[in-house]
Amino acid sequence: QKEVEQDPGPLSVPEGAIVSLNCTYSNSAFQYFMWYRQYSRKGPELLMYTYSSGNKEDGRFTAQVDKSSKYISLFIRDSQPSDSATYLCAMNTGFQKLVFGTGTRLLVSP
Amino acid sequence: DGGITQSPKYLFRKEGQNVTLSCEQNLNHDAMYWYRQDPGQGLRLIYYSQIVNDFQKGDIAEGYSVSREKKESFPLTVTSAQKNPTAFYLCASKSQDAAHEQFFGPGTRLTVL
Repeated sequence: QKEVEQDPGPLSVPEGAIVSLNCTYSNSAFQYFMWYRQYSRKGPELLMYTYSSGNKEDGRFTAQVDKSSKYISLFIRDSQPSDSATYLCAMNTGFQKLVFGTGTRLLVSP
Repeated sequence: DGGITQSPKYLFRKEGQNVTLSCEQNLNHDAMYWYRQDPGQGLRLIYYSQIVNDFQKGDIAEGYSVSREKKESFPLTVTSAQKNPTAFYLCASKSQDAAHEQFFGPGTRLTVL
């Protein structure tokens, strides 16, 4: 079993839809949770990070962490075609190496 | 502008040849990382370095080598011992003060012919 599981998609939605992207993990020691966005043939860029449990909002993006269920989510409101990318979750215990999910490919159609 | 550069963007190699991928950063970050990305497998850690002249193997170090002679530079050599080297290679760096945020370069696509 992988430490971090993420559905590879693709997830296809119409413009304006609310998108939900998710990851599950097995290591209860993970404390830092990140979402990276990666456009095709580019390097990933950090979108959001959350420490421990709870929600964090930044514009159209909301990150949620449920440590009791070992489940994290990224919500995108009013999705745009420019949001079409691969979204990678990543997590670690603190200052150790990051563990990445496989990434979910999102396609937002006009 | 501060950032991470990787060169070349595309690289073609014949079987049996060693090839070196460049990674340079001007963010004054102490830690640097090399990842390999394959379809359906996410990012896998090859090597990382937390300080000059020191580096550690990641999860898939076999067939790769690195050096860290300068803080700004962390080149990766893909040797002929790497059985399946065709992949997208990503370099990243991180401040020692940050628990989480790694900054990534634009990547190098290596194809073995």
